Amino acid sequence: AAGVIQSPRHLIKEKRETATLKCYPIPRHDTVYWYQQGPGQDPQFLISFYEKMQSDKGSIPDRFSAQQFSDYHSELNMSSLELGDSALYFCASSRGGVNTEAFFGQGTRLTVV
Amino acid sequence: GNSVTQMEGPVTLSEEAFLTINCTYTATGYPSLFWYVQYPGEGLQLLLKATKADDKGSNKGFEATYRKETTSFHLEKGSVQVSDSAVYFCALSRGFGNEKLTFGTGTRLTIIP
Repeated sequence: AAGVIQSPRHLIKEKRETATLKCYPIPRHDTVYWYQQGPGQDPQFLISFYEKMQSDKGSIPDRFSAQQFSDYHSELNMSSLELGDSALYFCASSRGGVNTEAFFGQGTRLTVV
Repeated sequence: GNSVTQMEGPVTLSEEAFLTINCTYTATGYPSLFWYVQYPGEGLQLLLKATKADDKGSNKGFEATYRKETTSFHLEKGSVQVSDSAVYFCALSRGFGNEKLTFGTGTRLTIIP
């Protein structure tokens, strides 16, 4: 079965650079979520989109922005990177409805040096 | 706001031992409850879920029962295997569609032969 695809799997950037993370949800899933997991930490919710509109916002820095495109894939743009942005970034997708399950991608590991 | 309190780790058990990982939650209304598992270098996989009080989620020998009176969702397995070594996250969502997950801090489980 198709899963959530994230690219790239690994990314190394220098401080103050920009990074773009991509997420391709499971076909027919209309909702995408982004989470950030620091080393040894639990995943923290950043932002979500439903039918290409932002549906919820968590602890996402102003330096980050995201959007969901017409084909439902999503991109997380991160600018002015800081060392503290080094983390595993997960995307998850779900299909609209009550008590629906979110499926997670394998994550993008971002290292800022 | 919503929160999840999870048993501190790490937990080390011998193969075939009984496992309990405690999870309690704070939430308004009727949240859905989940256990996710994260194997080394992997994304988050849904292990089991329960969407209403007294529901029992089960999968791969793991079980958890949604206890509204004690606001708990403890994970249990009668006989663990080396392959169960992973990090386990308890999580909740507000219980209706397209809602973000709030995670506990995770419990690292190591099973020794």
